[in-house]
Amino acid sequence: SQQGEEDPQALSIQEGENATMNCSYKTSINNLQWYRQNSGRGLVHLILIRSNEREKHSGRLRVTLDTSKKSSSLLITASRAADTASYFCATAYTGRRALTFGSGTRLQVQP
Amino acid sequence: DVKVTQSSRYLVKRTGEKVFLECVQDMDHENMFWYRQDPGLGLRLIYFSYDVKMKEKGDIPEGYSVSREKKERFSLILESASTNQTSMYLCASSRSGGPQNIQYFGAGTRLSVL
Repeated sequence: SQQGEEDPQALSIQEGENATMNCSYKTSINNLQWYRQNSGRGLVHLILIRSNEREKHSGRLRVTLDTSKKSSSLLITASRAADTASYFCATAYTGRRALTFGSGTRLQVQP
Repeated sequence: DVKVTQSSRYLVKRTGEKVFLECVQDMDHENMFWYRQDPGLGLRLIYFSYDVKMKEKGDIPEGYSVSREKKERFSLILESASTNQTSMYLCASSRSGGPQNIQYFGAGTRLSVL
């Protein structure tokens, strides 16, 4: 399976702290995407980073991509209770026609 | 805003029944997808479609079929439901330019097969 791995599987932090989630993947990619899922709901796209990009920002989100290590990180700064959700990375592998989703990181932000 | 609508949030069916899960998108997207989501396994692709009447198997197509007769509608069919198909099913769509584009998801259908 080419499914990526997220790390950690679960994360619990206090409001105001930063949350960092990692994603590792297997082979070369065209892009890597991060999605968020609130409990029992569908996924919502957060950010896309292309294989030739190293860092991208969107509001309180910062994504990095290290193609030499085949890994990506999602940083949420100054977290809020409303950030409580599961976060998934999805890799667009070269030569594969669809995205491959990881198993997700469950983030709990305590108020 | 893109809207992807799944016909049911919760569904309970009996073993052996034929089950239809319907998905409709309103943004004229070429690509549509069906996933199942199970705890610890993330999302696994069942089938996707890149055009009307066109389909491609994903990673776990066994026990499922799909239908795309109109661009906006993509149906997942369980020919003879089994208990191991109890899961959360998610539909998604994306615009042209390749199935690796940003995907827009429906709210999901939680299917229980008894």
